[in-house]
Amino acid sequence: ETGVTQTPRHLVMGMTNKKSLKCEQHLGHNAMYWYKQSAKKPLELMFVYNFKEQTENNSVPSRFSPECPNSSHLFLHLHTLQPEDSALYLCASSQERTSGSNEQFFGPGTRLTVL
Amino acid sequence: AQSVAQPEDQVNVAEGNPLTVKCTYSVSGNPYLFWYVQYPNRGLQFLLKYITGDNLVKGSYGFEAEFNKSQTSFHLKKPSALVSDSALYFCAVRAASYNQGGKLIFGQGTELSVKP
Repeated sequence: ETGVTQTPRHLVMGMTNKKSLKCEQHLGHNAMYWYKQSAKKPLELMFVYNFKEQTENNSVPSRFSPECPNSSHLFLHLHTLQPEDSALYLCASSQERTSGSNEQFFGPGTRLTVL
Repeated sequence: AQSVAQPEDQVNVAEGNPLTVKCTYSVSGNPYLFWYVQYPNRGLQFLLKYITGDNLVKGSYGFEAEFNKSQTSFHLKKPSALVSDSALYFCAVRAASYNQGGKLIFGQGTELSVKP
């Protein structure tokens, strides 16, 4: 595996539920990311954290709420989702420098289905 | 604005034949270019990257890619395809200048199918 773990791997939730996705990286990286992957669409960057500080919020609806308590853990809190939010949610990490030349390492993803 | 295009949704190749997965990009200034592969029910896995230097970059599993600045392309190649290479391949670009935003932009992906 890549050193980035995600739980749960699969999640089915109703539109009124509240759930959380968890990501943990064991690589000592200083940046973490949430991406959304829908069928037939490019990966959509949702949030970026550098040194635990959120540096990017890519116009994501407020029903998605990220949390980064430390540089190894990243959460995505979900509430009142819509069926169109069903997708594969990928977490990634990287060792960021000002050059941006380092690759990102991805977790296996959480397959989310909203009923 | 940065963008990546993978003009083919699907590429079909016979095992043992060479394969090419195409990628073109648009970015202000110099690019950092990446290829990732995604197997079913898995996350993306890094294959190779171009940062600077030699235009031909070698990566994992026998893959290589050639950076062509004049054609703004970064095509992924392998001399002899394996059935196990069948997967979804993503090209990504990032501006070398951090002042350009620094986001990694992905193409829409190309499904590679290698038949025995």
